Amino acid sequence: GENVEQHPSTLSVQEGDSAVIKCTYSDSASNYFPWYKQELGKRPQLIIDIRSNVGEKKDQRIAVTLNKTAKHFSLHITETQPEDSAVYFCAAIYGQNFVFGPGTRLSVLP
Amino acid sequence: DGGITQSPKYLFRKEGQNVTLSCEQNLNHDAMYWYRQDPGQGLRLIYYSQIVNDFQKGDIAEGYSVSREKKESFPLTVTSAQKNPTAFYLCASGYQGGYGYTFGSGTRLTVV
Repeated sequence: GENVEQHPSTLSVQEGDSAVIKCTYSDSASNYFPWYKQELGKRPQLIIDIRSNVGEKKDQRIAVTLNKTAKHFSLHITETQPEDSAVYFCAAIYGQNFVFGPGTRLSVLP
Repeated sequence: DGGITQSPKYLFRKEGQNVTLSCEQNLNHDAMYWYRQDPGQGLRLIYYSQIVNDFQKGDIAEGYSVSREKKESFPLTVTSAQKNPTAFYLCASGYQGGYGYTFGSGTRLTVV
């Protein structure tokens, strides 16, 4: 069935290091993959997304890569800062609806 | 809140009481969604609606009801049948195909 797996569930990095979060999806028809950042007690906010016709997209310190053959996509954060600490959700669109991954709690240690 | 507004921000419900959470958007989005989020957990889909006067159950619809009489509005009622309603409720909207997907600021519901 429709499923999005996300790893790791928790991630701690030192400030300035890179962080990578990986997601896999099950429906090869999915063609849109957004990433959301949720700070404590707040709503998830879109930080970057990628469509299936490209393999990589960058926005300053954030990048997303997509491997359609392997059905996985990853979020890369470089030069991490304390304000990057949050829960990150990946998602894949199935038909008309999103399916979210379970989330990754990222902690950036000063 | 980026064109999608949820109210109230905090809501307290007594045992056996129905409560309604409001979600309004002025983004001209066709699709609207309700999610439940428990502490430290991910997002679980309650109901969604792709067009006016039509809605579908999500993964955890039991104890909840919705209506979609207007494109802009998708209220969620938490009924007394929902035995554990304390959670953070998020509304979202988007265009067909998922583009422009945006979340509201959420309603934190507590049973007292």
